[in-house]
Amino acid sequence: EAGVAQSPRYKIIEKRQSVAFWCNPISGHATLYWYQQILGQGPKLLIQFQNNGVVDDSQLPKDRFSAERLKGVDSTLKIQPAKLEDSAVYLCASSLDSGWTYGYTFGSGTRLTVV
Amino acid sequence: AQTVTQSQPEMSVQEAETVTLSCTYDTSESNYYLFWYKQPPSRQMILVIRQEAYKQQNATENRFSVNFQKAAKSFSLKISDSQLGDTAMYFCAFMKVDTDKLIFGTGTRLQVFP
Repeated sequence: EAGVAQSPRYKIIEKRQSVAFWCNPISGHATLYWYQQILGQGPKLLIQFQNNGVVDDSQLPKDRFSAERLKGVDSTLKIQPAKLEDSAVYLCASSLDSGWTYGYTFGSGTRLTVV
Repeated sequence: AQTVTQSQPEMSVQEAETVTLSCTYDTSESNYYLFWYKQPPSRQMILVIRQEAYKQQNATENRFSVNFQKAAKSFSLKISDSQLGDTAMYFCAFMKVDTDKLIFGTGTRLQVFP
């Protein structure tokens, strides 16, 4: 089966600009996650969707970050305006249902550099 | 709040040897799940092994095994017969029961030398 697709693979922007990342999960996977991985740290959950509803967005900086999952399939994560500390790898993952029961499949991430 | 600590930023091992990566965690939960993930340069996180806290038997997956010490809140990963392809970042992670949220440690960079 095809894996979790993410684009772009790399992005460089200036601070205060906006940026969007795209994720296409594995077909049929109900649950989708966005993680932020800052250099030298482990990934941190930003938001979790179940179909097209938000399950957990407690660690999403809502003043600048937004995410949507239209029709319960693809998802977009947006940052507006970007700050230097947003430089990180943004990982998308999906699961058939619960991550424990069915396991996560991660994409290869988007590396964002804010200058 | 749960925390995961990996105290070894870097480790190295010779091919075919055995290496152990350390992980400790802090939680007040009695039931939870623990994981080891591998992240090669491709950046994709790959599940290596997982353990349910209520199971006393240590999980094993081929060359990978864990030493789970619940009372000490320790969850180490042993890689036997190390291979060059094992070179990667390794992350220990915690998940509370009834959530899908993985809490990761800061990772250990493992280098396998020929």
